[in-house]
Order: sequence, then structure tokens, then C-alpha cells
Amino acid sequence: GNSVTQMEGPVTLSEEAFLTINCTYTATGYPSLFWYVQYPGEGLQLLLKATKADDKGSNKGFEATYRKETTSFHLEKGSVQVSDSAVYFCALMNTGFQKLVFGTGTRLLVSP
Amino acid sequence: DTAVSQTPKYLVTQMGNDKSIKCEQNLGHDTMYWYKQDSKKFLKIMFSYNNKELIINETVPNRFSPKSPDKAHLNLHINSLELGDSAVYFCASSPDPLAPAGEQYFGPGTRLTVT
Repeated sequence: GNSVTQMEGPVTLSEEAFLTINCTYTATGYPSLFWYVQYPGEGLQLLLKATKADDKGSNKGFEATYRKETTSFHLEKGSVQVSDSAVYFCALMNTGFQKLVFGTGTRLLVSP
Repeated sequence: DTAVSQTPKYLVTQMGNDKSIKCEQNLGHDTMYWYKQDSKKFLKIMFSYNNKELIINETVPNRFSPKSPDKAHLNLHINSLELGDSAVYFCASSPDPLAPAGEQYFGPGTRLTVT
């Protein structure tokens, strides 16, 4: 079956530190991969996505590259801000299916 | 001009009661979803409707019954509430669920607490 595994949180960083949140997946076929972000008290918002191997998704300084050989989609940001504090969800969707499969989420806490 | 809205935002009720959560989207999307997020933030799909037709039912207890009166609305009715139903319920919609990069738009969530 399809599944997504994320690193356990919380990840605690100081402002301007480098961020990596690991995500690996198991899927049949060639899924699309997503990172969603949930700010406190809000619903999920799409952060970035990639639809095929070697694609790089990017948005708001965040990046993730679809690595088929390692079945990974790690999220990175060069310099985090306090406002990036949130829960980050890695997810996949297989072509022809109609549901997102989420990882367990990783909480990021950024201190000034 | 909220895209996906849910009511109520908070719902506190006792075991055994019946309650409903409403969802509306004004994005013109064909597909709507209900997700459940438990206390550990784990998010899992419950139902999906496409053009008012049920297309996904992820082994959710019969006490949960979604209803879609039209494309823009997907309500969730829960009978005989149990303590384990306490969670945050998210509604979402998408324009084209079969597209490989079909983005889903989420509502703000309804926090259900069963006492």
C-alpha cells in the first residue's frame, strides 16, 4: 500500500538556521508528492509539490526534490523565520486515485 | 470570500448525542473530502464525493454519514458520538482529483470534543 514516513518532531531551531525535514514514501506506480503546512489554529495549505522524478518544488524559500531512487522528498529551507513555526505534512497522491496519503506531520518551532 | 468554510468551528457534546458539521466551498470544485486529524496530528481521509457521488469511504464506522446536497456542500453527520470521535475534522475540495498534481484546498477545521 501507499504510505509516507516523516521524521519525528518537534524540530527546534533558531531564526536563520538551516532546515531539513525528512520524508520518505512507499507507493505503487509514480505518485505526485506534496508538502502541506498547517499554521496554529488553521487548516492545511499547499506549500509545494512535484509530479515526477527529479522535479523540484519550491515556494516561500522552501524546496524539495522528488528522488525516485531513494523514494524521498525532503523539505529544506536555507534560513528559517519565526513565522515558519507550524506543522509540516508530507503527502502523496497516486495517479488515478482520489486521495492524499499524509505522513504524521513534523512540528517546527523557530525561536528568535 | 472564504474558499472552504466549515461550521461550527468548535463543537462540544456528550457521548451518545448526534451532531452535524457543515462544509461549503465557493471554488466551483467537483470533489470534496472529509479528513479526521487525531490528537497526535495524524491526518486521514474519511470520505470523498465527486459531483455529489460517494467515491471514497475509508472504512469509517456507519455512525458517520456524509451528505452532499449539491456540489458545493458536503456535510458530515455523526450518530451516537463516542469519546474516540474527539478530533479535528477538516473539509477539503479539489478541482480535478484525477490530475496527478491535484491540489486540495482545506477548510479551517472543526474541533469536536466528546465528553
